[in-house]
Amino acid sequence: SQKIEQNSEALNIQEGKTATLTCNYTNYSPAYLQWYRQDPGRGPVFLLLIRENEKEKRKERLKVTFDTTLKQSLFHITASQPADSATYLCALPSSGGSYIPTFGRGTSLIVHP
Amino acid sequence: KAGVTQTPRYLIKTRGQQVTLSCSPISGHRSVSWYQQTPGQGLQFLFEYFSETQRNKGNFPGRFSGRQFSNSRSEMNVSTLELGDSALYLCASSLEGRYLTDTQYFGPGTRLTVL
Repeated sequence: SQKIEQNSEALNIQEGKTATLTCNYTNYSPAYLQWYRQDPGRGPVFLLLIRENEKEKRKERLKVTFDTTLKQSLFHITASQPADSATYLCALPSSGGSYIPTFGRGTSLIVHP
Repeated sequence: KAGVTQTPRYLIKTRGQQVTLSCSPISGHRSVSWYQQTPGQGLQFLFEYFSETQRNKGNFPGRFSGRQFSNSRSEMNVSTLELGDSALYLCASSLEGRYLTDTQYFGPGTRLTVL
């Protein structure tokens, strides 16, 4: 069955540095991958979607890469700020072509001033 | 435009009881999905409703059910509550529920505690 892995350990970085989060998946070839941000006690907020034929996508300080050979997506936040501190979730559509996303457990990012 | 709203925000129940949670999607959105989020299992899909019909269903027991009304508002019900049902229940809405074109907008969630 498909499996999504995100680093369960929190990522601690200093303000101004680039944060890089990883999403690995197995037993699957998704047509796209999404990244969400979730703050404590709140619902996830959609950030970016990248399709299988796109190697890289950018939105302001965010950059996502999608390597279908490595079965991995990297999520970068450049010039990170304390306000970027949150849990970041990756999501893939369930195998079989349905719309239902399957979420990773998320990685907590803590940006220190 | 108002976001997705969920009521109540917090709920405490005891084992064996049942509970009904409500979700009002963004105006114009016809697809409503429900998720359960726990520290152990993460965010898991419960079901999706579109035009008052359940279109997709996750791998949860029959104690979990839902419905959608003609105005797209949705409710989910959990009967015979178990301790393991304690979780954050999230509702998400989108225009048509089409992947690659629709974005899901999540509500703030209902925190259910089962004692």
